[in-house]
Amino acid sequence: QSALTQPPSASGSPGQSVTISCTGTSSDVGGYNYVSWYQQHPGKAPKVMIYEVSKRPSGVPDRFSGSKSGNTASLTVSGLQAEDEADYYCSSYAGNNNVVFGGGTKLTVL
Amino acid sequence: EVQLVESGGGLVKPGGSLRLSCAASGFIFSNAWMTWVRQAPGKGLEWVGRTKTKTEGGTIDYAAPVKGRFTISRDDSKDTLYLQMNSLKTEDTAVYYCTVEANTWYVGYWGQGTLVTVSS
Repeated sequence: QSALTQPPSASGSPGQSVTISCTGTSSDVGGYNYVSWYQQHPGKAPKVMIYEVSKRPSGVPDRFSGSKSGNTASLTVSGLQAEDEADYYCSSYAGNNNVVFGGGTKLTVL
Repeated sequence: EVQLVESGGGLVKPGGSLRLSCAASGFIFSNAWMTWVRQAPGKGLEWVGRTKTKTEGGTIDYAAPVKGRFTISRDDSKDTLYLQMNSLKTEDTAVYYCTVEANTWYVGYWGQGTLVTVSS
């Protein structure tokens, strides 16, 4: 399985919105509604922010939202805050009990 | 509170072996899909493999880069997950995370990770 494709970096000013894309194929992102997103601060373990494309675990601010169109999933962070600065990874079920991650996107809050 | 505590990481020479353990608490371990995810220094996340529950047949799946070299096992009587790593390569150098994976293919809980360094 090839890794999902994410832009290496994204940025936005406080209060703005930023969208991070995650592109796969019809064998992973496009084939299943099992896309998840993770936030990772330096030196910390990742934390799930979105699962099943657009669902938010309890405790995750509603500023975080997910969507999917075709083979591309997206994570949108609205009302950017300083603490949102982190690395973000997407993941998708890829069939045959396999999971694939994206390469990660470093989000900078300007 | 879910807790996952990995141990067993360290420095090993190429071709060597290492066994990681993960002690779990705060949830019903035998009912959980348990997964290893790794992260090479400065790199992204990589799914390593997973064991489903015994009631689901105990299916174990591996990522292609580790298949045939790594073995995942679980001891439900001890609430412990294992990762036996053989024929280690320098590219296996990474922080290895023990995780709880939901049956809708996302990781809900992560351990703090243990560093494995493969170097001569």
